[in-house]
Parts: sequence; C-alpha cells; structure tokens
Amino acid sequence: GQQVMQIPQYQHVQEGEDFTTYCNSSTTLSNIQWYKQRPGGHPVFLIQLVKSGEVKKQKRLTFQFGEAKKNSSLHITATQTTDVGTYFCGSHSGGYQKVTFGTGTKLQVIP
Amino acid sequence: ETGVTQTPRHLVMGMTNKKSLKCEQHLGHNAMYWYKQSAKKPLELMFVYSLEERVENNSVPSRFSPECPNSSHLFLHLHTLQPEDSALYLCASSPGPYNSPLHFGNGTRLTVT
Repeated sequence: GQQVMQIPQYQHVQEGEDFTTYCNSSTTLSNIQWYKQRPGGHPVFLIQLVKSGEVKKQKRLTFQFGEAKKNSSLHITATQTTDVGTYFCGSHSGGYQKVTFGTGTKLQVIP
Repeated sequence: ETGVTQTPRHLVMGMTNKKSLKCEQHLGHNAMYWYKQSAKKPLELMFVYSLEERVENNSVPSRFSPECPNSSHLFLHLHTLQPEDSALYLCASSPGPYNSPLHFGNGTRLTVT
C-alpha cells in the first residue's frame, strides 16, 4: 500500500528560528494534506495541495507540493511557542476518502 | 468545539470486558472514520464508512467491531482486547467528495489492563 515517509521525527528549535518538515512518497500522490496536533489534542486540518509545484502560504507557514507530486514540505518562519505540536502530512489513496498519514514531526520550540 | 464529539474521553477496561466508543458529528458530513494513534506510530486507519456503508476495513482484528447506524453516528465496539490495543482512538468525518479534509474528534484514550 501507499506509504508516506516524514522527516525529521523530532525537531527542537530556539524561538525565532525556522523549521521545515518533509514528506516523501515512492508513488505519485493525488494530493497532500497537512495537519497539526497540539500536545494532548487532536489533529487539525491546516491545508491541502493538489497541483504539481503548488505553493500556499498561511502567515508564517509555507506549504509546497513537489513537481513530481511525490514530496511535500511545510516551512515555518520565525517559530513561536504556539507552533509547538506534531505536524502530519496525509494523502488520499485508493477509492473513497481513505487518508494515509506520515509518521509526523514533533516540533519543540525553546523560548 | 470540533463538530465531532467522542465519548468517553478516557476508558480503562480489562481484557475480558466489553465496551463501546461513540462518535457523533454535527457537520452534515457523509463519511466517518476510526483511526488508532499509538506512541511512535503513524495514525493508523481502521475503518471508513461512506453514507453508512463500510468501504474500508484495514485488516483490523475482529475484537474491534464498528457500527454506523446513520451518517451522524459511529460506534466502535470492543471486546476481549489486548494490552497492545491501548491507544488514542480518533474519530473523524469528512464532507466528501474525494480529497476532502478530515475533521477529528478529541479522541478516546483507551487503556487495557
């Protein structure tokens, strides 16, 4: 089945530093979705990318979908303590609405 | 308030018990999901229901039994669980069609003793 690998698994940054997490797949993805899960919380949808090479921004967050639609990245500029959490990428596969998730990147921001 | 409500929030059960997890969505969505989240593992898809029909069963052991009586409610019936089944069980819904985002509930933290 489809597998989405995500790196790094953990990242500690000083507040104000940038942060990037990457998702990679061996197969072409129909779309990529990004979610954030705060400690003790549940995953919350952030954004979806569907087009080759697509780039979307949400304030300090920049999301990119690779030209071959096999990889994606989430970049946070000037991290803040409110960015703490685990970031997951996910993608639809097969029929219906099945979403397969990457392993997640846990971000810790040191004040 | 997520629009997807899960009860109970926490559950401790013995291996011989029978219990049920409940999920209710107030978003008018057509699809509902059960995911399992364990430490150091990705979110694992268990079941998908689309318009009350089960469309995905991701090789889940028979000790987990889903039920979807209508498009707003989803249950996960548990019996004779194992300690390794301890995890956070997340319910989600999506509006459809294909490529829709998932809306998750707060989850049920299950501990099997």
